[in-house]
Amino acid sequence: DQQVKQNSPSLSVQEGRISILNCDYTNSMFDYFLWYKKYPAEGPTFLISISSIKDKNEDGRFTVFLNKSAKHLSLHIVPSQPGDSAVYFCAAVQGGSEKLVFGKGTKLTVNP
Amino acid sequence: SQTIHQWPATLVQPVGSPLSLECTVEGTSNPNLYWYRQAAGRGLQLLFYSVGIGQISSEVPQNLSASRPQDRQFILSSKKLLLSDSGFYLCAWSVPAGVADTQYFGPGTRLTVL
Repeated sequence: DQQVKQNSPSLSVQEGRISILNCDYTNSMFDYFLWYKKYPAEGPTFLISISSIKDKNEDGRFTVFLNKSAKHLSLHIVPSQPGDSAVYFCAAVQGGSEKLVFGKGTKLTVNP
Repeated sequence: SQTIHQWPATLVQPVGSPLSLECTVEGTSNPNLYWYRQAAGRGLQLLFYSVGIGQISSEVPQNLSASRPQDRQFILSSKKLLLSDSGFYLCAWSVPAGVADTQYFGPGTRLTVL
């Protein structure tokens, strides 16, 4: 059973517009969430994270929102740029665990 | 600063042949180490993780094995490869018992089993 779900396998947006990537989770014990960005044939790179004690974390063009009651988080990229085109993975970790649980990823395409 | 290396970058192996992929981390001590596989159309699947030398936890039953002979070295092996072992293999490290639990990934190895 998937504990972290990214229900949209792909997303396409225009350059300059907002990209919203969604992630749902089922394990209420998760207390830390991360987003990774992955280009083809490369390892994922850490993008942004959020602790469960917060509902928003912002870093430049990237903002992550956490809705604990809905067990939902989202990554907003604004403005989107063609270089943002990549696969984005949502991940979660339970306090005390050494393991991240990843979603299956969403492929974002930003069109010029 | 910390860096993580993986080699080889690409590998083509026949079915039934052995496998050895190596991962090393520099600039940190006693890291947690991880092996993941990304198969076509699938997400990141955790295969093994290690919290110390000689300590290996297996997440998925398979014909792969992992070893950690040194603090910052993690090896993924197989005695006989299967077609289904094809994929993109990623090594990652994290600070042990780190507050953030952020994992940092290597560049990956593309394995094709023919």
